[in-house]
Amino acid sequence: DTGVSQNPRHKITKRGQNVTFRCDPISEHNRLYWYRQTLGQGPEFLTYFQNEAQLEKSRLLSDRFSAERPKGSFSTLEIQRTEQGDSAMYLCASSTPSQSQHFGDGTRLSIL
Amino acid sequence: DQQVKQNSPSLSVQEGRISILNCDYTNSMFDYFLWYKKYPAEGPTFLISISSIKDKNEDGRFTVFLNKSAKHLSLHIVPSQPGDSAVYFCAASEGNFNKFYFGSGTKLNVKP
Repeated sequence: DTGVSQNPRHKITKRGQNVTFRCDPISEHNRLYWYRQTLGQGPEFLTYFQNEAQLEKSRLLSDRFSAERPKGSFSTLEIQRTEQGDSAMYLCASSTPSQSQHFGDGTRLSIL
Repeated sequence: DQQVKQNSPSLSVQEGRISILNCDYTNSMFDYFLWYKKYPAEGPTFLISISSIKDKNEDGRFTVFLNKSAKHLSLHIVPSQPGDSAVYFCAASEGNFNKFYFGSGTKLNVKP
């Protein structure tokens, strides 16, 4: 399967802990996006990379959130000092410049 | 400031009939629109898109209509099938594809 891969699928952690999620995009896709989705809502844009450059960042992405795509391939999203409100599904998507986005199945974060 | 709105959280349709899902947007700079389908525990899957230079795009049983003056788009599925039962999201972009805005979704139930 050569789709977008996200790991882990589910993360349970205590409030205040740091968590890191990984996204492996489709190999020929140079664009990579992170979204957050809460219950009953659509995906909310967090950030966007073109190759290794982070070109767009939502104001939703507080100082506790950081995303990287060091070699223009896989990406990581880190949340420091997690809070209850961070509980959500975190979705990654990738695309080429002229195509629609292909989404992974997401990482569900649960904060105890 | 939700720029893309789907005001119907759910829709129930009989198999074989037409399903019409609606979406409204507020940002007149949006010029590319997409529909995604989402099954439980999976990421959204691209369905169909339309550029603002068109008012209709068709792909098999799926047709998207765009009314720019009303800032409204709709997805028609005909004939509806039980396998179409899913949550449908509309999304919009300003054309640079750096950032996509999603509606909150409409859950479609197609009854056999």
